[in-house]
Amino acid sequence: GAVVSQHPSWVICKSGTSVKIECRSLDFQATTMFWYRQFPKQSLMLMATSNEGSKATYEQGVEKDKFLINHASLTLSTLTVTSAHPEDSSFYICSAGQGLAQHFGDGTRLSIL
Amino acid sequence: QQQVKQSPQSLIVQKGGISIINCAYENTAFDYFPWYQQFPGKGPALLIAIRPDVSEKKEGRFTISFNKSAKQFSLHIMDSQPGDSATYFCAASRGPGTASKLTFGTGTRLQVTL
Repeated sequence: GAVVSQHPSWVICKSGTSVKIECRSLDFQATTMFWYRQFPKQSLMLMATSNEGSKATYEQGVEKDKFLINHASLTLSTLTVTSAHPEDSSFYICSAGQGLAQHFGDGTRLSIL
Repeated sequence: QQQVKQSPQSLIVQKGGISIINCAYENTAFDYFPWYQQFPGKGPALLIAIRPDVSEKKEGRFTISFNKSAKQFSLHIMDSQPGDSATYFCAASRGPGTASKLTFGTGTRLQVTL
């Protein structure tokens, strides 16, 4: 149980392109989902918290106009990286809340050329 | 300000040995303490978690020890196996009873040798 699916797992695109990443809780409903960014050999950095049906709460220093988050249903949240640039290349991971626990997807490796 | 300090940064343990990873927190409002295991290229997987009202929790070969007065908690992996080689993160969050944002430790890279 508590499976979180993240898609795509890997994307390469040109600078200036917008990229959408999906996060789905497959066997439970998640009122709250979280988006993280992880640099190589580093810990997870929380970017934003999204609650179903309301605006996401962004962490300090995260540009909300660049990282658009939509949590339209209890099983789906999306992160759109708008006008992506090479510095946005990273490993993006979502999690979905179930009770106190957070269950993570397998991440999306984003490479901007 | 790092609110959860994790040590060691890396750890090498022989097969069958005990792996011990320690974390210390500062915020006394934290009331949920999970441990995650992450393999390269994958997302973290929840291993085990504890609330402050108990001092120890065991699930299979994994045990969390919790010391509320010292604001410390640790993960013990008994009979460590090569398949346990991964990065382990401790984390902490505060109420109000549903999933809330986690503060992660810096991670420990565990290698279990034959």
